[in-house]
Amino acid sequence: GAVVSQHPSRVICKSGTSVKIECRSLDFQATTMFWYRQFPKKSLMLMATSNEGSKATYEQGVEKDKFLINHASLTLSTLTVTSAHPEDSSFYICSARDPGTVYSYEQYFGPGTRLTVT
Amino acid sequence: GDSVTQMEGPVTLSEEAFLTINCTYTATGYPSLFWYVQYPGEGLQLLLKATKADDKGSNKGFEATYRKETTSFHLEKGSVQVSDSAVYFCALRGTGNQFYFGTGTSLTVIP
Repeated sequence: GAVVSQHPSRVICKSGTSVKIECRSLDFQATTMFWYRQFPKKSLMLMATSNEGSKATYEQGVEKDKFLINHASLTLSTLTVTSAHPEDSSFYICSARDPGTVYSYEQYFGPGTRLTVT
Repeated sequence: GDSVTQMEGPVTLSEEAFLTINCTYTATGYPSLFWYVQYPGEGLQLLLKATKADDKGSNKGFEATYRKETTSFHLEKGSVQVSDSAVYFCALRGTGNQFYFGTGTSLTVIP
């Protein structure tokens, strides 16, 4: 089946620094990837939709200058948290859409990245 | 707008007990419905899905039936095991192909 990986799985960074999280589709080409944020005991919140070769579409309330998304290839999307603050600490999950057939839009989720900002 | 409401947890059951986790949805059009499971420290894994009314999704002993008349997609398992301890998320994929997740229900199964 389709596999999505994320790197790193855990990262600790100091307040004010930037951290990059990678999301890769390992055995399929993903024209669209999604970035979610999961708060403790809460659901996943969609942050942005990443389309290969074009700018990401951000959900309302998500700071695009703080959460930079780049989808430079069909198998890689990156999320960079700039000038991180403790309130950015969270579990970030990406998913990738496998076009498959024209009418198939299955999403496959990565294992997530735990970000802790000290 | 589209949304999913699922029962709040946590749920604690003894091994071999019957499990039901309620999920209802609000959507325009005809969404596809999903249950995802998240084991401790891991990402989401698709557990089962149903793409149209009256479809039954099943996997690993879990079942859920897409009920359009009650806008529900309740998750059931006849006999839970300790290894089923996880957080379960109900989700829908709307007409715009965007996913909407419920808040998750934590299940703990004790021996």
